[in-house]
Amino acid sequence: AQTVTQSQPEMSVQEAETVTLSCTYDTSESNYYLFWYKQPPSRQMILVIRQEAYKQQNATENRFSVNFQKAAKSFSLKISDSQLGDTAMYFCAFTRSGGSNYKLTFGKGTLLTVNP
Amino acid sequence: EAQVTQNPRYLITVTGKKLTVTCSQNMNHEYMSWYRQDPGLGLRQIYYSMNVEVTDKGDVPEGYKVSRKEKRNFPLILESPSPNQTSLYFCASTRIWTGEANYGYTFGSGTRLTVV
Repeated sequence: AQTVTQSQPEMSVQEAETVTLSCTYDTSESNYYLFWYKQPPSRQMILVIRQEAYKQQNATENRFSVNFQKAAKSFSLKISDSQLGDTAMYFCAFTRSGGSNYKLTFGKGTLLTVNP
Repeated sequence: EAQVTQNPRYLITVTGKKLTVTCSQNMNHEYMSWYRQDPGLGLRQIYYSMNVEVTDKGDVPEGYKVSRKEKRNFPLILESPSPNQTSLYFCASTRIWTGEANYGYTFGSGTRLTVV
């Protein structure tokens, strides 16, 4: 079974600074996908960024980028130029490629607060 | 607009009173799934469906039922709710993957259920 670990229950950062959220996972699969989801106070689950395990290049989406270390099973999220609207719970998630269930396995989340 | 619609957003009920949380998607997705979110536990899968009339248990199915009579709808049924089912519930959908493609997941807005 796959597991996803987020070791930082809470983090805070000053506006305009950079912050990195950690995520490690455990799997025996060779092909899989990793995600970071943002959950603001509105509760909506918003996809921030996605990484395919077979791609060596780290994914980037504007101010959001990941550091994907496949051998170390690490998938950290870097947020540059933090904004007040980035305040949210962030979930790291894993799903294997193929199979009969496209289940997302989530970490427990990191609550990020951006301070003015 | 492509979306997953959950109803209701909030529900307070009493122990033992049957309830249904509805989920409907307008993207012709084959795959649909229910998750519950609890503090400190992240999101956990309850049930999933790969297509019409095809459903299966996730990680925490006890006390829940689902049905998939139409492609767009995937209701979650609590026949005899108990206080330990107080949680935030999400419905999600995606297309069936082909090859290495992961089409991403669309989440509903969540249903906050309180069982007293």
